[in-house]
Amino acid sequence: KQEVTQIPAALSVPEGENLVLNCSFTDSAIYNLQWFRQDPGKGLTSLLLIQSSQREQTSGRLNASLDKSSGRSTLYIAASQPGDSATYLCAVALDDMRFGAGTRLTVKP
Amino acid sequence: KAGVTQTPRYLIKTRGQQVTLSCSPISGHRSVSWYQQTPGQGLQFLFEYFSETQRNKGNFPGRFSGRQFSNSRSEMNVSTLELGDSALYLCASSLLAGDPNEQFFGPGTRLTVL
Repeated sequence: KQEVTQIPAALSVPEGENLVLNCSFTDSAIYNLQWFRQDPGKGLTSLLLIQSSQREQTSGRLNASLDKSSGRSTLYIAASQPGDSATYLCAVALDDMRFGAGTRLTVKP
Repeated sequence: KAGVTQTPRYLIKTRGQQVTLSCSPISGHRSVSWYQQTPGQGLQFLFEYFSETQRNKGNFPGRFSGRQFSNSRSEMNVSTLELGDSALYLCASSLLAGDPNEQFFGPGTRLTVL
């Protein structure tokens, strides 16, 4: 059974810092891995989708990498801003989508 | 292009009642998946529908059911509500079923069971 773990569970950083969020999964047989952002009480906003054949994806200040063989993905956020404060979730897809518990990020002005 | 819409946004029910939630996918998307999100269990997959057929189902009791219409709109139904069913119910749409398709989520329906 696929299990997805995200570390750390919570992170607080001052504005301007670069940071890395981690995601690990137990079964490397995945179609893709997707990173989402969730604001309190809201739905999920897709940030980046990495296909199983890809190693990384970039969008603006965000960069996500995927190492299927080791079951790991990282989300790198450059020059963090207070508006980046949210919970970040990773999810791996095969027959269904399995989510990690998320990392709650707080960026302090 | 309009995003995924869910109605209602908030719902309060009492134990034993039943509830129906609705999800309209992004235009052209044929796959709709439903998820339950609770503080204790996180996001859990309920089921996926594609072309009016249930393609996959998560580990939830039979009280949870769904369907999809010919226009790809989907409904999920929960019968005999329990306190533990209080959650944020999210639906997501994608172009096709499974495979490397990006999922787009709606804002969710917040269900409170009293």
